[in-house]
Amino acid sequence: SAVISQKPSRDICQRGTSLTIQCQVDSQVTMMFWYRQQPGQSLTLIATANQGSEATYESGFVIDKFPISRPNLTFSTLTVSNMSPEDSSIYLCSVRTSGRPIVTQYFGPGTRLLVL
Amino acid sequence: GQQVMQIPQYQHVQEGEDFTTYCNSSTTLSNIQWYKQRPGGHPVFLIQLVKSGEVKKQKRLTFQFGEAKKNSSLHITATQTTDVGTYFCAGEYTGGFKTIFGAGTRLFVKA
Repeated sequence: SAVISQKPSRDICQRGTSLTIQCQVDSQVTMMFWYRQQPGQSLTLIATANQGSEATYESGFVIDKFPISRPNLTFSTLTVSNMSPEDSSIYLCSVRTSGRPIVTQYFGPGTRLLVL
Repeated sequence: GQQVMQIPQYQHVQEGEDFTTYCNSSTTLSNIQWYKQRPGGHPVFLIQLVKSGEVKKQKRLTFQFGEAKKNSSLHITATQTTDVGTYFCAGEYTGGFKTIFGAGTRLFVKA
């Protein structure tokens, strides 16, 4: 299993500012992801955080808006840049255990962001 | 693009009644996963199905993967109030490592 912690757990920010969310895993994992979940909605994958290289972004998400760092196999950060009220959401860090074909995906507790 | 459809969006049941949620993909999946998210919580992994026609049980929960590996279902027998939450399916496609989540089915159980 993997235990994931995220900081901050919640924040209220002013538009135009940036917020960096930290994700810490209690074990080394190869695959780490960042998701966004708006209230009452499903999870949308923002990007795959790659250790030692640039993140892989999904359609609709760009590095300038959501820069991601992954300095090692247990830690990653997601920055929400130049925030607007539309960025208000829950941001979740997720990891997958290694091993095929059966894998397990774990989610962090999430960071609840409100942009005013 | 790759998309996983899930129905129903909501389901209200009386405690003790059964509940089923369905997922469908237009293209073949390599595997499908199911998650439960309690209100205010984060998604928690329940199970992964890999084989065509696979059926797995976890106590009152029965998970099925279709023969064509394009659809799946989660059935809960005799629901309890502790079953409330949103159930998500998430499909993974061959050659990829990312999971595409369905819209989720929110289950309400009335005691």
